[in-house]
Amino acid sequence: SQQGEEDPQALSIQEGENATMNCSYKTSINNLQWYRQNSGRGLVHLILIRSNEREKHSGRLRVTLDTSKKSSSLLITASRAADTASYFCATDNYGQNFVFGPGTRLSVLP
Amino acid sequence: DTAVSQTPKYLVTQMGNDKSIKCEQNLGHDTMYWYKQDSKKFLKIMFSYNNKELIINETVPNRFSPKSPDKAHLNLHINSLELGDSAVYFCASSHPRMGEAFFGQGTRLTVV
Repeated sequence: SQQGEEDPQALSIQEGENATMNCSYKTSINNLQWYRQNSGRGLVHLILIRSNEREKHSGRLRVTLDTSKKSSSLLITASRAADTASYFCATDNYGQNFVFGPGTRLSVLP
Repeated sequence: DTAVSQTPKYLVTQMGNDKSIKCEQNLGHDTMYWYKQDSKKFLKIMFSYNNKELIINETVPNRFSPKSPDKAHLNLHINSLELGDSAVYFCASSHPRMGEAFFGQGTRLTVV
C-alpha cells in the first residue's frame, strides 16, 4: 500500500522564492528521506531525517518531521531554475524497502 | 565511476518477447532493489534482495524474475512482455545503517 503522499502534486514558483512540499505517511517509520528526480534521470538522495529528529538542515534545504501527525515537510529556500524537478518523500521500512509517495513536480521560473 | 549502473538505458521490444535488464553496484551494499515507475511517476517496489537473498517480492506477475548472481548484481528478466509492462525500471542499492538509497539512471522499457 502507498505509504507517502506528497502535497501539492505540482508547484510553480519564481526564482528566489521558497518552495514548500509536504508528505504524509501511514505507519511507523525508521526514517524519512527526500529525493529529487530530474526529467529522464534517476533519483538523487537529498536528505534523511530519523524518527527521533524533528528538524534537519542541509544547505538550502530544511526538513521537518512530525511523527505524531505522520507528516514531513521539505523547504527549499531561495529557489533556482536548477531546482526544477520532481521531489519524492520515502519512508524507510527498516531497510527492507523504501516506500515512495507520488511526488511533487516543482517548476522554478526564471 | 557510476555507483549504480543499469543497462540498457532504453529498450524497445515487441509484445511476447523476453528481455533482461542488468544492474551492478560498486558501493559494497548488501541490499538491492528493483522499482517500477509508471507514466504518472509513481514508484513501486518490485523486489528487494539482501546479500543475494530475496526479502521482498511484491505483487508482481511471475513473468518478472530477478536474479542475483552475487551481492553486487541484481538482474531483472521479463518473459512474455505485455504492453502494460512499459515503464521506467530503476535499480537501487542501500546500506541498512546508512539509510539512503542510491539509484541507477533507469531503463525505459517500451513494449509495442
